[in-house]
Amino acid sequence: AQSVAQPEDQVNVAEGNPLTVKCTYSVSGNPYLFWYVQYPNRGLQFLLKYITGDNLVKGSYGFEAEFNKSQTSFHLKKPSALVSDSALYFCAVRDPSSGGSYIPTFGRGTSLIVHP
Amino acid sequence: GAVVSQHPSRVICKSGTSVKIECRSLDFQATTMFWYRQFPKQSLMLMATSNEGSKATYEQGVEKDKFLINHASLTLSTLTVTSAHPEDSSFYICSGSRTGQEPQHFGDGTRLSIL
Repeated sequence: AQSVAQPEDQVNVAEGNPLTVKCTYSVSGNPYLFWYVQYPNRGLQFLLKYITGDNLVKGSYGFEAEFNKSQTSFHLKKPSALVSDSALYFCAVRDPSSGGSYIPTFGRGTSLIVHP
Repeated sequence: GAVVSQHPSRVICKSGTSVKIECRSLDFQATTMFWYRQFPKQSLMLMATSNEGSKATYEQGVEKDKFLINHASLTLSTLTVTSAHPEDSSFYICSGSRTGQEPQHFGDGTRLSIL
């Protein structure tokens, strides 16, 4: 079984400040983890993924995420937020030990609002 | 990059009409395509998974006779909402993935409004 939680419905941050969007997961084995961003009336855009290797993953638009196995977390971070980063962010997890299915589970989403 | 084109982007139609939504992978072969439904301020709800040339696998609670999915080629999947009613109004999003590869690549979604 696989599950993912995004504990915050909304995150507010001032432009120029660092931002963190939280994600925790639960899988039976080693997880595949993903972050996506969704702008209004658009589909999801892939930001980054963790499959194996370095725990710090760098992605698009200056975002990065750190895989923490002991805390079962994969928080999304950016050193300096932009107003244009305001969007809905989804964390997703897949348990590769689940067999041939490539269906990840998505979190509920976190709305990031960056204030000028 | 991998591009998925979804068409139309918006549909407004009368109750009882059937609506077809197309999802095309433009620069890769999408062995598997996914159809999601998204309610306002909510996460994605997976409706069904389709593999090219075979019948779609529907999630529990999704009526297969209501939401017809066809994945006839490696680059095209269609979702037909049959005899649509106002409660079917929603944002529908498709995605595709290559064989054994991740992540999924998403279309821009279709806003369906049934009057």
